Order: sequence, then structure tokens, then C-alpha cells
Amino acid sequence: DIQMTQSPSSLSASVGDRVTITCRASQGISRSLAWYQQKPEKAPTCLIYGASSLQSWVPSRFSASGSGTDFTLTIDSLQPEDFATYYCQQYNSYPLTFGGGTRVEIK
Amino acid sequence: EARLVESGGGLVQPGGSLRLSCAASGFSVSNYYMSWVRQAPGKGLEWVSILYSGGNTYYADSVNGRFTISRDSSKNTLFLQMNNLRDEDTAVYYCASDPYSLLFGVWGQGTLVTVSS
Repeated sequence: DIQMTQSPSSLSASVGDRVTITCRASQGISRSLAWYQQKPEKAPTCLIYGASSLQSWVPSRFSASGSGTDFTLTIDSLQPEDFATYYCQQYNSYPLTFGGGTRVEIK
Repeated sequence: EARLVESGGGLVQPGGSLRLSCAASGFSVSNYYMSWVRQAPGKGLEWVSILYSGGNTYYADSVNGRFTISRDSSKNTLFLQMNNLRDEDTAVYYCASDPYSLLFGVWGQGTLVTVSS
């Protein structure tokens, strides 16, 4: 199984800050990586697919990069609605696996 | 607009069975990759199962042999039959789909399954 390791597991940031979350795969997954945002008591939503492609509704302050084993999600100028938990997910091979999540909290 | 609505969750005793449903609108479940993803209370996301448009199915090891994914195209609905349920199956179960790949572009609101005596 491919293990997905996210860091940090949580962070505190202020509105306007730049935030970077990393996701590392235990073996190469090419660019078969998605990022999800989940707000409390809500279903996740897909922000990014193909490692760096934004869904059409996602604001441009979100960006993502990476390939192989190392990936990053960056939020430029954090907004109040961005406080949430973020998960990466590999879809290169079965079983499909998620990272443990990164909780972005208000400082 | 693609939409998914789950139902069928509830309280069940260990060893019992439950069938979850996921009604789709705005697209055909027969043409999409259709999945179930679960989230135990206070925990992260765990993929459970996927059904391809062509009929292939895959399962997480933790549910293989106990859960069965299926669809009814006439009702445009996805199902998850869960047998021999265990305490560790307690979770919110989400239905999710994508037209192109093995990711989860559209999610339902989730349905809570509680396995407890």
C-alpha cells in the first residue's frame, strides 16, 4: 500500500498569511494526487487534481505542485473561509489512500 | 449540476447488516467512477470501495468479503451492502464520484453508521 504522509498535522495562521502543506508518498505516484478541503461537519470538496490542476470554482490563491513522491499545497493570503482540514489523496494504485490531514486553525 | 444524496445509515449491532443508498442526479451512475469513502468520528478519510462504469469493483482490505458495492441504473442509485459489521466500521459514509478518474470530484452529505451493542 502507498502511505501518504502530510505535514504538519496542524498549524495556526492569521488571515493574510501564506500557508504551505506538504504531502509525501511512500512510493512514486507520478501526478496522481488530489487535495481536498473539509470544513467541520461537512463533506470534503475536491480542490486540486492531477497534482496541480485547480477545480474551476477554486480561488486562485490556492496552488499546488509536485510529482513523484513530494507534493505541496499553498494558500496565498489565507482567508477566513480557508480555515479547514486539508487532505491529500493518491489515485495511482489501489488501495486509494489519503494523508492524515492538516488542520488549519485561526491564530 | 451533479448531486449525491446518501441514505440508509443507522444503529446496528455487531455482526449485523445494513444497506446504504446513494441517489445521484445530474449525471448517470453508470458512466462515472462511483465510490464510498468513510470517516470514523474525529478521524481522517478512508476509501472503502469503487465501482467502475464497466462493472469492475475494488475494495479496501478492511471491508473485502464483507461489503459489496453495486448500482441500479434504472434508479440512478449506488448501493453499499455491509454485512458482518464491526465496531470499527462506525463512521460517516460518503458517496463520491468522478467522471474521469479515481478521485472524488463530487461528494454526498454523508450518512452515519453506528455499530454498537
